[in-house]
Amino acid sequence: EVQLVESGGGLVQPGGSLRLSCAASGFTFSSYSMNWVRQAPGKGLEWVSYISSSSSTIYYADSVKGRFTISRDNAKNSLYLQMNSLRAEDTAVYYCARDIGGSSSHFDYWGQGTLVTVSS
Amino acid sequence: QSVLTQPPSVSAAPGQKVTISCSGSSSNIGNNYVSWYQQLPGTAPKLLIYDNNKRPSGIPDRFSGSKSGTSATLGITGLQTGDEADYYCGTWDSSLSAHWVFGGGTKLTVL
Repeated sequence: EVQLVESGGGLVQPGGSLRLSCAASGFTFSSYSMNWVRQAPGKGLEWVSYISSSSSTIYYADSVKGRFTISRDNAKNSLYLQMNSLRAEDTAVYYCARDIGGSSSHFDYWGQGTLVTVSS
Repeated sequence: QSVLTQPPSVSAAPGQKVTISCSGSSSNIGNNYVSWYQQLPGTAPKLLIYDNNKRPSGIPDRFSGSKSGTSATLGITGLQTGDEADYYCGTWDSSLSAHWVFGGGTKLTVL
């Protein structure tokens, strides 16, 4: 069974940092691209970042470029999101999502999400 | 303001049919596959449709997808109260820099 479990969320002050993790199981993690998607309270889905299976290709949303860094450790079946210079508008539930990749890119499995609250 | 435009809400009675539109441009829907996601209250999104019109295993054939030009449509027939959820379309966008885009979401109410 495919499982994605996020962790690392919490309350952080504006300007602070946080590192999110996503532990994957039930599939060959190194064969899939991965994404982070967030959802602010009461709002819609917002894509945050993409990383290919080998980490050779990485994309970011303009709203987080220069502040967030996506990475993965295929040996540990884990995906990460390092978030720096956090702002109030980064407050959201953060989901990791598996991506088939290539021309048929779509998010076929999602984690349960971890809440990040940026507030003083 | 989302790059992909969806109606904020739609409603229909149980047993009826509803469609949800997703309008984009040549840099996204026009040149890429569209997928659809269902988000039940308080839960993570779930894949409903991929590659414009394909259903993952376990998704009933009451759910269908189509694409024409720069627009896509999700159809749901035989509506059930359990279908009440938010629905999102999504695809890659290749304008300026590559990035994934979601529609703003559509709240389905089954009256």
